[in-house]
Amino acid sequence: GAGVSQSPSNKVTEKGKDVELRCDPISGHTALYWYRQSLGQGLEFLIYFQGNSAPDKSGLPSDRFSAERTGGSVSTLTIQRTQQEDSAVYLCASSYRTGEKAFFGQGTRLTVV
Amino acid sequence: SQQGEEDPQALSIQEGENATMNCSYKTSINNLQWYRQNSGRGLVHLILIRSNEREKHSGRLRVTLDTSKKSSSLLITASRAADTASYFCATLPKGGNNRLAFGKGNQVVVIP
Repeated sequence: GAGVSQSPSNKVTEKGKDVELRCDPISGHTALYWYRQSLGQGLEFLIYFQGNSAPDKSGLPSDRFSAERTGGSVSTLTIQRTQQEDSAVYLCASSYRTGEKAFFGQGTRLTVV
Repeated sequence: SQQGEEDPQALSIQEGENATMNCSYKTSINNLQWYRQNSGRGLVHLILIRSNEREKHSGRLRVTLDTSKKSSSLLITASRAADTASYFCATLPKGGNNRLAFGKGNQVVVIP
């Protein structure tokens, strides 16, 4: 594809339900990031994948959050037992190499009701 | 805590004027990047400046980096209404984790 693709664009879920957010990075990009952005705020780092290395999960806010990246490509961010404070835009980005220009998807707006 | 901290937080200017925003950071970096965000969705990369560079230009954008003061500035010359957006700086720390750390962003409004 031409860019980073995220799905769904919007997700409304009931408190307590699990959600899965998907990110398709640009082909060939070895680095993949997940960030969270609350309304009017900056980007909060969640997790970072680089090639086959162990992911940097230090930004995940609780054990309800997990992410995986299969085959070095598609990544899924899973939030279990969603809470209202999880409501935010979840942004995925990829880059050809670590720390270089990052390409962002359009994000998934998650609303927990 | 976030690496980048932009200042000022909000800026409103007339079309044609220049817009300047600043970013400060706390630790040594490999590079610093500026991004633009429209309508609260995906960010678009604007420019990357490495730690051994002091100034960089791209079109109407001019970025400076002062590693002794741990600060950077982004100048947009001859602003246009389409420049209305939020602008974020992001830093890649040296010798450690490889995560890009973003600041809180600057809201810039260009009035036609």
